[in-house]
Amino acid sequence: ETGVTQTPRHLVMGMTNKKSLKCEQHLGHNAMYWYKQSAKKPLELMFVYNFKEQTENNSVPSRFSPECPNSSHLFLHLHTLQPEDSALYLCASSQAGPQQAPRGYTFGSGTRLTVV
Amino acid sequence: GQSLEQPSEVTAVEGAIVQINCTYQTSGFYGLSWYQQHDGGAPTFLSYNALDGLEETGRFSSFLSRSDSYGYLLLQELQMKDSASYFCAVRGRDDKIIFGKGTRLHILP
Repeated sequence: ETGVTQTPRHLVMGMTNKKSLKCEQHLGHNAMYWYKQSAKKPLELMFVYNFKEQTENNSVPSRFSPECPNSSHLFLHLHTLQPEDSALYLCASSQAGPQQAPRGYTFGSGTRLTVV
Repeated sequence: GQSLEQPSEVTAVEGAIVQINCTYQTSGFYGLSWYQQHDGGAPTFLSYNALDGLEETGRFSSFLSRSDSYGYLLLQELQMKDSASYFCAVRGRDDKIIFGKGTRLHILP
């Protein structure tokens, strides 16, 4: 365990389903991030939360909806996804804010999402 | 646009030395980081260079040349457990964080 825990590890969902991904960090970090990792592509930053406030939305479709109720928890709510959204979704946290990134990120092991 | 380039795959022999290069093109630059990711695992932070030169951490070293927009990760005394993907990452213009596509390192016994 890295100190950043993601659940579930694997998720299969239909295009009409609604599901949520959860991320929890026990490191006392101030910033949390959602990344999408697809095969043969760079890690894509989706959302950034700094002290629970969303500071970046990297042109992500509205079918992805983040929520950060406190500095230790981050959710990604999914609805009406497309097959091309199938990927590994990684959560990360850092002590300093995004201005210090990408130094010192701690990543979770990710949720492998398959949309059928 | 902004981009990072690194080789998609590198193969080396156990016990040898391997260098993974990363070139970047960004309007601003605030440091180069390297991450390791084993299959099915989380990316883990390896090193960070904000200034030119070589940073050494055990068997791993990272180098940066800002004038050449270039850096590399050097792995010495390769072990089978070093088989993984290695990503470079930079923060550039508008604080955008950019990762490379990753280099898959294969180690032969």
